[in-house]
Amino acid sequence: EIVLTQSPVTLSLSPGERATLSCGASQSVAGSYLAWYQQKPGLAPRLLIYDASNRATGIPDRFSGSGSGTDFTLTISRLEPEDFAVYYCQQYGSSPWYTFGQGTKLEIK
Amino acid sequence: EVQLVESGGGLVQPGRSLRLSCAASGFTFDDYAMHWVRQVPGKGLEWVSGISWNSGSIAYADSVKGRFTISRDNAKNSLYLQMNSLRAEDTALYYCAKDIQYDSSGKLDFWGQGSLVTVSS
Repeated sequence: EIVLTQSPVTLSLSPGERATLSCGASQSVAGSYLAWYQQKPGLAPRLLIYDASNRATGIPDRFSGSGSGTDFTLTISRLEPEDFAVYYCQQYGSSPWYTFGQGTKLEIK
Repeated sequence: EVQLVESGGGLVQPGRSLRLSCAASGFTFDDYAMHWVRQVPGKGLEWVSGISWNSGSIAYADSVKGRFTISRDNAKNSLYLQMNSLRAEDTALYYCAKDIQYDSSGKLDFWGQGSLVTVSS
């Protein structure tokens, strides 16, 4: 099983700043099959990025993903107030067993 | 508009069974694989099980294999999760989620609001 470790656990930033979230895998993720989800309190997760760098439908272009192998990054170029939430990475390269990272909480500084 | 509505959760004693349902609308249900993902309140996400469009491919997390059974009824636009021999560690909010393709890819583009399962005596 591929274990995903996200860092930092908590990230404190202000609106307008740039956010960089990391996701490290215990072994290489085949095909860069990695996704990022955003979850706000009381709501279901929302798909942001799939295949490491492709934005899902309706996702603003301030969200971008990069990486391959064992190291992946989600970048939010300029934080909007609605971006403060918990972010999860997920690998689906070792189909059919899909694993999630433990999450990064992005909070307002 | 895609909608996924889970039902069937509740309080159940250890060792007992429960069946979750997910009613889908707003898309062609039998064109897509479907999944169950759970989340202990305040904790992270855990993929539980997935099923391809025609039920030809089914997979489970090791933590539930042999106890949980996923199924679907395309005529009723519904997804199910039969949970047997429930344990305290199965307590979680269970989400129904839609895959972006017919065969399970793991990319989940729509999620329901979840059904809470509490296993306690």
